[in-house]
Amino acid sequence: DGGITQSPKYLFRKEGQNVTLSCEQNLNHDAMYWYRQDPGQGLRLIYYSQIVNDFQKGDIAEGYSVSREKKESFPLTVTSAQKNPTAFYLCASKTATSGGDTQYFGPGTRLTVL
Amino acid sequence: RKEVEQDPGPFNVPEGATVAFNCTYSNSASQSFFWYRQDCRKEPKLLMSVYSSGNEDGRFTAQLNRASQYISLLIRDSKLSDSATYLCVVNSRGSTLGRLYFGRGTQLTVWP
Repeated sequence: DGGITQSPKYLFRKEGQNVTLSCEQNLNHDAMYWYRQDPGQGLRLIYYSQIVNDFQKGDIAEGYSVSREKKESFPLTVTSAQKNPTAFYLCASKTATSGGDTQYFGPGTRLTVL
Repeated sequence: RKEVEQDPGPFNVPEGATVAFNCTYSNSASQSFFWYRQDCRKEPKLLMSVYSSGNEDGRFTAQLNRASQYISLLIRDSKLSDSATYLCVVNSRGSTLGRLYFGRGTQLTVWP
């Protein structure tokens, strides 16, 4: 089955710890995105990548880091510098073909900082 | 000014009702427009794209007014299963791989 997978579904971490969220897609999509969603809020873009080995900051990149070493994978690291990391994190991907503006989302990871 | 503005609601309607959501966008160069649906604690899923001529998919009708930079979604004969948050989404100008902008969403509850 083609799709986007995120793991883990739920993640708990202690303050001061870095944590990495996984995002994998087998849709052969070129672009991948990370969003954060807080209760009652819209999606805010953290980072996005249009091609392998390249990525751009979104609106709230501070305290986060990413890598894009493979087309299929776009992991997000939440560092201890992120002041309020508890949130729902969503990964998405998109094809580059004409008319391919539609983004497809993974099931998300709920991160809770204890 | 935010890229995409939506009325957050909530909208509470009985089954069978018709309900309309509105959305405005600030970037006149935006080329692609969508409505996504998000169920509680789930990921957003594409409901429908919005075309310049307007388009319909069953009970759902989407309209685009480029002059006013306004998008709408009409749901007819509401079902309990329509209860969700509806996100208005527009693309950025530039490359096809550019970012999308999401509204905060409009919450809909359909009651029996």
